[in-house]
Amino acid sequence: IVLTQSPGTLSLSPGERATLSCRASQSVSSNYLAWYQQKPGQAPRLLIYGAFSRATGIPDRFSGSGSGTDFTLTISRLEPEDFVVYYCQQYDSPALTFGGGTKVEIK
Amino acid sequence: EVQLVESGGGLVQPGGSLRLSCVASGLTFSSYAMSWVRQAPGKGLECVSVISTRGAGTFYADSVDGRCTISRDDSRNTLYLQMNSLRGEDTATYYCAKGQGDYGKYYMDVWGKGTTVTVSS
Repeated sequence: IVLTQSPGTLSLSPGERATLSCRASQSVSSNYLAWYQQKPGQAPRLLIYGAFSRATGIPDRFSGSGSGTDFTLTISRLEPEDFVVYYCQQYDSPALTFGGGTKVEIK
Repeated sequence: EVQLVESGGGLVQPGGSLRLSCVASGLTFSSYAMSWVRQAPGKGLECVSVISTRGAGTFYADSVDGRCTISRDDSRNTLYLQMNSLRGEDTATYYCAKGQGDYGKYYMDVWGKGTTVTVSS
């Protein structure tokens, strides 16, 4: 399953709403879709699993939605530490795959 | 607190071999699937290999299939990745990650800090 994330780069200001898209080449059953955040020089951190369940300790400004082939990560109000890279990952097939990432940068 | 600590990376010549290790603490290691995910410099994430509990099932990305072997020693809380016939395109940071979810359907909820592999002559 190929995951395509868009846009590649999102330019926004602190306090604004960010909407990140992840499209799958075929349907992802049971919403086996996760989102990760990666800060420079650090390992990825799990944000969302099961398409919309927040991982432990993740602020509620992060939310996931979608089903089938179209999924969205929304950051309701961008904080300075949110301007980093985000990846989606499907785990419906044994060949776990990641999207190419979306970088959220300060406008 | 769950911790994963990778080691074993380094500089190796093309065609060479390395064995990566990942020591886990703060969890019942034997109860979880484990994986290796790599990231080439400036690039995205690629799941290299996954091993289920008790080593009952394994998965390899096409890019490493036949050259890598994932294994686990539950008595030592340790995950391994044996990499052979290394190529320049294997240059990356290799992360160990704990799997969560249904059998064969894992997301990664805990990650190590990574170990760097550089393949160059």
